[in-house]
Amino acid sequence: AQTVTQSQPEMSVQEAETVTLSCTYDTSENNYYLFWYKQPPSRQMILVIRQEAYKQQNATENRFSVNFQKAAKSFSLKISDSQLGDTAMYFCAFMKHPANAGGTSYGKLTFGQGTILTVHP
Amino acid sequence: DGGITQSPKYLFRKEGQNVTLSCEQNLNHDAMYWYRQDPGQGLRLIYYSQIVNDFQKGDIAEGYSVSREKKESFPLTVTSAQKNPTAFYLCASSPRQVAYNEQFFGPGTRLTVL
Repeated sequence: AQTVTQSQPEMSVQEAETVTLSCTYDTSENNYYLFWYKQPPSRQMILVIRQEAYKQQNATENRFSVNFQKAAKSFSLKISDSQLGDTAMYFCAFMKHPANAGGTSYGKLTFGQGTILTVHP
Repeated sequence: DGGITQSPKYLFRKEGQNVTLSCEQNLNHDAMYWYRQDPGQGLRLIYYSQIVNDFQKGDIAEGYSVSREKKESFPLTVTSAQKNPTAFYLCASSPRQVAYNEQFFGPGTRLTVL
């Protein structure tokens, strides 16, 4: 079974600064997907960024980028130029590659415990 | 507007009662999911369904039941067998054919057992 660990329950950052959220995971799979989701105070879950394990290049989406270290099973999220609207809980999540999941059992997301990020003005 | 709706937003239940949470999507997605969110524990998968008339247990299925009679709908019943049902429940959907499916989430239902 896969596990995802976020060791930082809470983080804070000043507006316009950079912050990095940590995530580690444990799996015996070689091919899989990793995600960062954001849950603002409205509680609406929003996908921030995703990474395919077989791709060496780290994913980037505007101010959001990841540092994917496959051997270390680490997947951190860097938020640059932090904005007040980035205040939210952030979840790291793991998904098996469909080819490895079999039948109709693919698509399962395993989430970490979440990190509450507060951006201060 | 395409999206996922969950109703009701808040639900109160007496101990020993079954209650059904609604989830509807008009995104034409094949797959649908139910998650439970508790403080400090992140989201945990209850049940999921990749196609109509088929569903799979997730990590915490005990005390819950689902049905998938229509592509658009995936209701979750919290039974009296669920020992600690007070939680925030999130429904999600995704297109089945895409390799690394983004899951789109509904606004959630807050269930409180009195």
